[in-house]
Amino acid sequence: DQQVKQNSPSLSVQEGRISILNCDYTNSMFDYFLWYKKYPAEGPTFLISISSIKDKNEDGRFTVFLNKSAKHLSLHIVPSQPGDSAVYFCAASRSFTSGTYKYIFGTGTRLKVLA
Amino acid sequence: DAEITQSPRHKITETGRQVTLACHQTWNHNNMFWYRQDLGHGLRLIHYSYGVQDTNKGEVSDGYSVSRSNTEDLPLTLESAASSQTSVYFCASSDRTESTDTQYFGPGTRLTVL
Repeated sequence: DQQVKQNSPSLSVQEGRISILNCDYTNSMFDYFLWYKKYPAEGPTFLISISSIKDKNEDGRFTVFLNKSAKHLSLHIVPSQPGDSAVYFCAASRSFTSGTYKYIFGTGTRLKVLA
Repeated sequence: DAEITQSPRHKITETGRQVTLACHQTWNHNNMFWYRQDLGHGLRLIHYSYGVQDTNKGEVSDGYSVSRSNTEDLPLTLESAASSQTSVYFCASSDRTESTDTQYFGPGTRLTVL
């Protein structure tokens, strides 16, 4: 049961344009959503997160939108740069009554920004 | 600067051998995680720990074990390596506040089991 889904395995965008990466989830108990960027032979790098009580969070060129009714989140990168070419993972975290929490990841979307 | 390191970065071993992958973080985070990354599966949780002496199984824990004797280290042991455990392994630590949730990853260990 894939609780976090990234249905687009790849995406190509022209430099300077907007990149929109999408993620869907099934569990309404998730309380944070996170985006990571991963280059080959490196660990994932945290980009931005959003609490489930918000619908938007911005950090520089990166904005994450959360639509709880649709169980959908998206990452917008504006403007896209060639250095943004990487695999992007979305993740969701869920807290438990014990105070612990853990993360579930999507399968990733490979973004290619064309110069 | 705080960081999270993994060693070795690459490892080749034989089926049936015991292998230990090291993870060390200087963030002083209580929460640490081990994942494996395989094509088509994204990152899957193997084990995690919320503090010293605490360990928990993730979704793909069979054949793996962890121990947490201090805040900085969470070594991952493959008791008897199998070819199905050929993968890239990532260690992570995380910090969560009321308004933010951030998880930091190590550079990964590429393990090949022959």
